[in-house]
Amino acid sequence: EVQLVESGGGLVQPGGSLRLSCATSGFTFSTYWMNWVRQAPGKGLEWVAYINQDGSETSYVDSVKGRFTISRDNVKNSLSLEMNSLRAEDTALYYCVRGILSPGGYWGQGTLVTVSS
Amino acid sequence: QSALTQPASVSGSPGQSITISCTGTSSDVGRYNLVSWYQQHPGRAPKLMIHEVNKRPSGVSNRFSGSKSGNTASLTISGLQAEDEADYYCFSSAGSSVVFGGGTKVSVL
Repeated sequence: EVQLVESGGGLVQPGGSLRLSCATSGFTFSTYWMNWVRQAPGKGLEWVAYINQDGSETSYVDSVKGRFTISRDNVKNSLSLEMNSLRAEDTALYYCVRGILSPGGYWGQGTLVTVSS
Repeated sequence: QSALTQPASVSGSPGQSITISCTGTSSDVGRYNLVSWYQQHPGRAPKLMIHEVNKRPSGVSNRFSGSKSGNTASLTISGLQAEDEADYYCFSSAGSSVVFGGGTKVSVL
């Protein structure tokens, strides 16, 4: 059974940092592009970042460029998102997503990030 | 602000067919056959309904179909059922990034 389990969310002050993690199992992690997608409370989905299979290619939505870093560990089958200089508008449920444009698109249950003083 | 344009809402009666559009540009939807559609029920994680414009994953009802014409992709739900009431989102490759729609709320009257 495919499992994507996010962790690391919480309450952080504006300007602060958080590191999200996604533990995966049930599939060959190293063969999939991985993504982070977020959803602000009551709002739509917003793609945040992707990373290719070996970590050599990454891409970000403009609003997080220079502040967020996506990475992966193909030995531990895990995905991470390092978030710095957090803003109120980064408040959202963050989903770990396998292959968002592929036949195997699959989402975790998300971890909530709240940026507030 | 979403790069792909979807109608905010679409409604239909049980048994009817509805179509949700997803309009992009020649740099994303029009250029790549990498358009996916996701269904999201309230409080739930999104579920893949269509990938690569018109391919349906195993386990997804054949009442769901996808297509593309020019810069616009479409998701059609035929034989509308109460359980289809949900939000639907389109995603597309834009080469070195991913673009997405603002979502469409489907209501079953």
